Amino acid sequence: RKEVEQDPGPFNVPEGATVAFNCTYSNSASQSFFWYRQDCRKEPKLLMSVYSSGNEDGRFTVQLNRASQYISLLIRDSKLSDSATYLCVVAYNDMRFGAGTRLTVKP
Amino acid sequence: GAGVSQSPSNKVTEKGKDVELRCDPISGHTALYWYRQRLGQGLEFLIYFQGNSAPDKSGLPSDRFSAERTGESVSTLTIQRTQQEDSAVYLCASSLIWANTEAFFGQGTRLTVV
Repeated sequence: RKEVEQDPGPFNVPEGATVAFNCTYSNSASQSFFWYRQDCRKEPKLLMSVYSSGNEDGRFTVQLNRASQYISLLIRDSKLSDSATYLCVVAYNDMRFGAGTRLTVKP
Repeated sequence: GAGVSQSPSNKVTEKGKDVELRCDPISGHTALYWYRQRLGQGLEFLIYFQGNSAPDKSGLPSDRFSAERTGESVSTLTIQRTQQEDSAVYLCASSLIWANTEAFFGQGTRLTVV
């Protein structure tokens, strides 16, 4: 079993749609959680940290369920510029990345 | 200030040759990570350093791979006797303390083994 598993995607959605990404992790001792974004042929960059109570930043909402070892990212009112691969990241002593879910937002 | 710097940005090498990839982290960042990303794939964890120590080397794909870090700064990833399956982008990242803080990535070294 992979340490971090994500929806395989790809997700193709129209502008304005709401899209949700899910992620599960296997190490119950994991302490920190993040979502990163990776544009084509670019390096990953932090999108949001995930806090225990869940948190929101504009159109983006993240949730953490430690009991189910589950993390989610919700994007509302999606924009063309949201097209990218979204990476779930789980940290204990090191940082482990999921394989990523590709999102394409179409006009 | 400068971000994470990796060199070379591109490397083409012949099968069987050794290559050395370099990462200069952000100054003051204690933690440093190496990942491999094959075309169209996710990030495969290779190794991380806390200071100059690598607590867990089990992510290195084979004994042809080795890494070191000196002065809590620059790190090198060495691949001996390269094989075609080693072709990938090798990404380095650093973070201030350890895994619970944001990691900043370099732009990667694209390695092609011919």
